[in-house]
Amino acid sequence: DAGVTQSPTHLIKTRGQQVTLRCSPKSGHDTVSWYQQALGQGPQFIFQYYEEEERQRGNFPDRFSGHQFPNYSSELNVNALLLGDSALYLCASTPQGPGGTEAFFGQGTRLTVV
Amino acid sequence: AQSVTQPDIHITVSEGASLELRCNYSYGATPYLFWYVQSPGQGLQLLLKYFSGDTLVQGIKGFEAEFKRSQSSFNLRKPSVHWSDAAEYFCAVGAMEYGNKLVFGAGTILRVKS
Repeated sequence: DAGVTQSPTHLIKTRGQQVTLRCSPKSGHDTVSWYQQALGQGPQFIFQYYEEEERQRGNFPDRFSGHQFPNYSSELNVNALLLGDSALYLCASTPQGPGGTEAFFGQGTRLTVV
Repeated sequence: AQSVTQPDIHITVSEGASLELRCNYSYGATPYLFWYVQSPGQGLQLLLKYFSGDTLVQGIKGFEAEFKRSQSSFNLRKPSVHWSDAAEYFCAVGAMEYGNKLVFGAGTILRVKS
């Protein structure tokens, strides 16, 4: 079982650019959540996808958007990057829809905005 | 508002000594509680979880945690710390009523001295 896989592992972008991060959930999991972890802080919930729809959203601007594909994989898109978007972006998957419980996390994508 | 407080930013213990990391939460629903560990630059690994039932839960790597509803606490303990336990530890809370999005504390960095 490959677990939750994220790509790329590291990324450097320029302020104002757009970025797409990818996540493949653990086998058998159908719900994907994204978190942002700024340096020295705990992860902050961005949004959650289930059945290809955004089901919940945290306190993040519309510059952050996502998508879920029929195979349950997901993308996180960030437009008009700001320096403050530099962070570790974590993907988590859970089984059985939003009512699932234990979340499995990927290794994250380290985004640096310069 | 949902929140998790980890009062200790850093803790240093000697190898072989006991460990207790504190976690307090404020949540408007019946909580699920988790402890995750993160090594530098890595994703989150689940140590243990509490959903219901016995309030003392056992996890991996010899860790345990006790849920105390009256104190809104879920402290993590280990009787004898190993040098490999040095990492950052995050307490998190979720609930089925909130679609199981996780709210994390700011983390506690554990240093182990030999």
